[in-house]
Amino acid sequence: QVQLQESGPGLVKSSETLSLTCTVSGDFISTYYWTWIRQPPGKGLEWIGYNYHSGRTNYNPSLKSRVTISVDTSKNQFSLKLTSVTAADTAVYYCARGQWLPVYDYWGQGTLVTVSS
Amino acid sequence: EIVLTQSPGTLSLSPGERATLSCRASQSVSSNYLGWYQQKPGQAPRLLIYGASSRATGIPDRFSGSGSGTDFTLTISRLEPEDFAVYYCQQYGSSSLTFGGGTNVEIK
Repeated sequence: QVQLQESGPGLVKSSETLSLTCTVSGDFISTYYWTWIRQPPGKGLEWIGYNYHSGRTNYNPSLKSRVTISVDTSKNQFSLKLTSVTAADTAVYYCARGQWLPVYDYWGQGTLVTVSS
Repeated sequence: EIVLTQSPGTLSLSPGERATLSCRASQSVSSNYLGWYQQKPGQAPRLLIYGASSRATGIPDRFSGSGSGTDFTLTISRLEPEDFAVYYCQQYGSSSLTFGGGTNVEIK
């Protein structure tokens, strides 16, 4: 059974860098689409980007200048870094897996990150 | 970027009724790469449908997806109490993935 679990600080100061990690169990992280998606409180889903085949990346154009998604195959983890955060980056952040295409069959439970001034 | 518009925003129905949710794309979705998700409060989304019409593993057959090009539909044939939730469509036919704004299916 594939499981994903997000971890990282729940509070980040404005202008700093948000860093989250997703630990994957029950699957090998060297393949597939490992993705970050976020959801501001009370709002809809926003795709942030993915890393696939352990190195190729694709990011939301609106976030591209601030986002890095990397994979650590030795730890079976992938990570999100979002720089220069503002209050608009406050959201529940989900990690998710797309098996052969970027449509998502496994999700983490989500972690709320609040950006404070 | 492909914009997905979901309608209606809210659907008020009773258990046992049929629900029809719409997702319209601003341009054609390549290869009908369109998925549907269900999200309940405090939970992560759950994949229901991929490829516009294929049910994901373990999804009951009362959920069905249809459509092509720019117009897609999710149908729930007979609403069960656990089906009241928010539903999102997502396109993955272009390099920039996008989600619709969601339809809230609420108990009437």
